Amino acid sequence: GAVVSQHPSWVICKSGTSVKIECRSLDFQATTMFWYRQFPKQSLMLMATSNEGSKATYEQGVEKDKFLINHASLTLSTLTVTSAHPEDSSFYICSVTQGVNQPQHFGDGTRLSIL
Amino acid sequence: GNSVTQMEGPVTLSEEAFLTINCTYTATGYPSLFWYVQYPGEGLQLLLKATKADDKGSNKGFEATYRKETTSFHLEKGSVQVSDSAVYFCALSEGGSRLTFGEGTQLTVNP
Repeated sequence: GAVVSQHPSWVICKSGTSVKIECRSLDFQATTMFWYRQFPKQSLMLMATSNEGSKATYEQGVEKDKFLINHASLTLSTLTVTSAHPEDSSFYICSVTQGVNQPQHFGDGTRLSIL
Repeated sequence: GNSVTQMEGPVTLSEEAFLTINCTYTATGYPSLFWYVQYPGEGLQLLLKATKADDKGSNKGFEATYRKETTSFHLEKGSVQVSDSAVYFCALSEGGSRLTFGEGTQLTVNP
């Protein structure tokens, strides 16, 4: 069965709207969760690393005020795209891991379309 | 820094053909190596992995051997099926959970 639940799977909204994406670890307590962005026919770009109870670590070039990450529990992390604009349209994927050197398990992704 | 290079796609094969997708890597230490598969509109699924030199990862008829001497982790399958059509990503992880991905290779298998 699924290890990771990501919700919603598809969002279409107007420019200026804030959108929240949830990532839940179903099978284990995830010490670390990752958020990726994927453009069409391209590889995954790591946006940030999220550890439970601490601030997320953002990759260079990713605006932390634009992409708010909250990792409130060992099974839930959220990514909020604030005041979204068309250029934020993309496929966002989360992953979870039990710890160092453990495999990442990925959600099914969220397709975000900003009109 | 670490990097992963995959053969360029797209790759188109007929059903039951032999598949090879090349992957080479650059790392400062001794990474773990992974192959992930992404079906249309979905996230990534772990296909197989190898954690040390000469290890062979295998799953669903796919295999890859960790070759330290050639810094490679090529993906192979003896007889592909239409259902194998997807994007395949080679990745490495060194000293932690962070993954470095290759560019991805689109595979299309025709009946």
